[in-house]
Amino acid sequence: GAVVSQHPSWVICKSGTSVKIECRSLDFQATTMFWYRQFPKQSLMLMATSNEGSKATYEQGVEKDKFLINHASLTLSTLTVTSAHPEDSSFYICSARIYAISGTQYFGPGTRLLVL
Amino acid sequence: DAKTTQPTSMDCAEGRAANLPCNHSTISGNEYVYWYRQIHSQGPQYIIHGLKNNETNEMASLIITEDRKSSTLILPHATLRDTAVYYCIVRVITGANSKLTFGKGITLSVRP
Repeated sequence: GAVVSQHPSWVICKSGTSVKIECRSLDFQATTMFWYRQFPKQSLMLMATSNEGSKATYEQGVEKDKFLINHASLTLSTLTVTSAHPEDSSFYICSARIYAISGTQYFGPGTRLLVL
Repeated sequence: DAKTTQPTSMDCAEGRAANLPCNHSTISGNEYVYWYRQIHSQGPQYIIHGLKNNETNEMASLIITEDRKSSTLILPHATLRDTAVYYCIVRVITGANSKLTFGKGITLSVRP
């Protein structure tokens, strides 16, 4: 149990385009989902926390207009990188917290984004 | 959330126990100790968590000192597939501040 999926697993896009990444909790409901970013040889950095049906809470320094997060259902959250630039190239990982059972977060496999 | 301190790296022989230490001297009474690991190019994998009692599951054991200022993750029989970065994180279990904040972790290398 507690499986989180992400799609796509990797994406290459041109500078200036937008990219959408989906995160799904497959076998549980997640009232809260989290988005992280990881640059090479660095640790995970939390970008934002999203609660189902409400606006995401962004960490300091993360542009909310650039990284659009939607958490429309208890099993799906999306991250859209708008007008992507090469510096946005990174490993994006989502995480979901099991609904009303415990605070344990489970992570997706990650999406590798390369912006040319 | 309280910060944790872990060694940068360690290694162990395949088949032997791997004991990964973590210091969390400023942990609060309502904060849990969580362990995750990240194998190269994958998302983090949940291992175990605990509050003050020792915990064991199919993956590992978690030993928390009585004063809760430190803990040890034990992989009883390390295999090559256990080579990964292991993160020790303390956090409250519910509420607005219950997000996982990752440090640098400890790189465990299991040698044949």
